[in-house]
Amino acid sequence: SAVISQKPSRDICQRGTSLTIQCQVDSQVTMMFWYRQQPGQSLTLIATANQGSEATYESGFVIDKFPISRPNLTFSTLTVSNMSPEDSSIYLCSVDTPPAGVYNEQFFGPGTRLTVL
Amino acid sequence: GIQVEQSPPDLILQEGANSTLRCNFSDSVNNLQWFHQNPWGQLINLFYIPSGTKQNGRLSATTVATERYSLLYISSSQTTDSGVYFCAPTPKAAGNKLTFGGGTRVLVKP
Repeated sequence: SAVISQKPSRDICQRGTSLTIQCQVDSQVTMMFWYRQQPGQSLTLIATANQGSEATYESGFVIDKFPISRPNLTFSTLTVSNMSPEDSSIYLCSVDTPPAGVYNEQFFGPGTRLTVL
Repeated sequence: GIQVEQSPPDLILQEGANSTLRCNFSDSVNNLQWFHQNPWGQLINLFYIPSGTKQNGRLSATTVATERYSLLYISSSQTTDSGVYFCAPTPKAAGNKLTFGGGTRVLVKP
């Protein structure tokens, strides 16, 4: 399984500001995903981070609010823009394990716990 | 989209007890994963089980894809089993995107 790290592990931010979360994998992976987990809730997929092209967003999530970068096969960032208290959540990245395929097991990073005041 | 329902939503066990968690899903799936989220928020992979039965120590899982359900068995529960258990199937129409159920919150008392 891949070793996945996220930075920061937690942060407290003021409303109206933006935070960029980093996800680093120790090996090249085909697909990277970003999820949100609101307090006491399950996980919801935000978007698929595509290497070399724009991210693919799920219904209810837009690029202006959650811009994503994927500059290479081991790294991605998620920015939470113009934050409000409703953005307080755990944000997790996950990766699709090699070899490249459609139905591979996914592994998750440790998450970033965000609190917006 | 696919509906994923987990039951029960909450479960309190005495240490040493056995339990069964259920996951029903409404559509055909390519695969299914079970996760344990510990109190620190880390998601731990338990099983990758699109069909059939697998065992790992005190845990085992069975997926009957044709009947659209999966079961997670915990035997001889320990306090470290506490946390939230999620099932996450991948709908056939969604490539490798996981859809999470609502979770079962388990508390194992000593």
